[in-house]
Amino acid sequence: EVQLVESGGGLVQPGRSLRLSCAVSGFSFDDYAMHWVRQAPGKGLEWVSGITWNSGNIAYADSVKGRFTMSRDNAKNSLYLQMNSLRADDTAFYYCAKDMGAIAAAGTSFDYWGQGTLVTVSS
Amino acid sequence: DIQMTQSPSSLSASVGDRVTITCRASQGISNYLAWFQQQPGKAPKSLIYAASSLQSGVPSKFSGSGSGTDFTLTISSLQPEDFATYYCQQYNTYPPTFGQGTKLEIK
Repeated sequence: EVQLVESGGGLVQPGRSLRLSCAVSGFSFDDYAMHWVRQAPGKGLEWVSGITWNSGNIAYADSVKGRFTMSRDNAKNSLYLQMNSLRADDTAFYYCAKDMGAIAAAGTSFDYWGQGTLVTVSS
Repeated sequence: DIQMTQSPSSLSASVGDRVTITCRASQGISNYLAWFQQQPGKAPKSLIYAASSLQSGVPSKFSGSGSGTDFTLTISSLQPEDFATYYCQQYNTYPPTFGQGTKLEIK
């Protein structure tokens, strides 16, 4: 059974940092690209970042570029999102999602999602 | 970025009904279109990819069609668990973008 379990969310002050993790099981992690998608409370879905199977290419939404860093550790079957200089509009549920292919590029969508972790940025 | 527009934004229907949701892309995306279902308080679930291909384990009551800029998701014989919010997503061009969602409610 494919499982993606996010952790690391919580309440953080504006300007501070937070690191999210996503532990995966049930598939060959190092064969697939992965993504982070977020959803502000009561709002729609926003793609945040994607990473290829070998970390060779990482893409970011303009809204987080320069502040967030996505990474993965294939030996640990884990995905990460380092979030710096957090702002109130970063408040959201953050989901990790599995790509249907190896390369986080146009042409493949997502097939499995984690349950999400809530990040609240507030003073 | 490619804009995805869903209609309607909300929809009321009864158990047993058949409904159709529309998604329009701001430019052609071939068939690189996915649909996701999100039940209240839960994570999104993948339903359809490549406009009309069902994800593994998704019942055939869900069907998708379209190509280019106009797409539809049809759900037949609505059951209580189908009342949720549905999102389309284009993955033809980065960044992948989502529609604003269609909330399907029980009448």
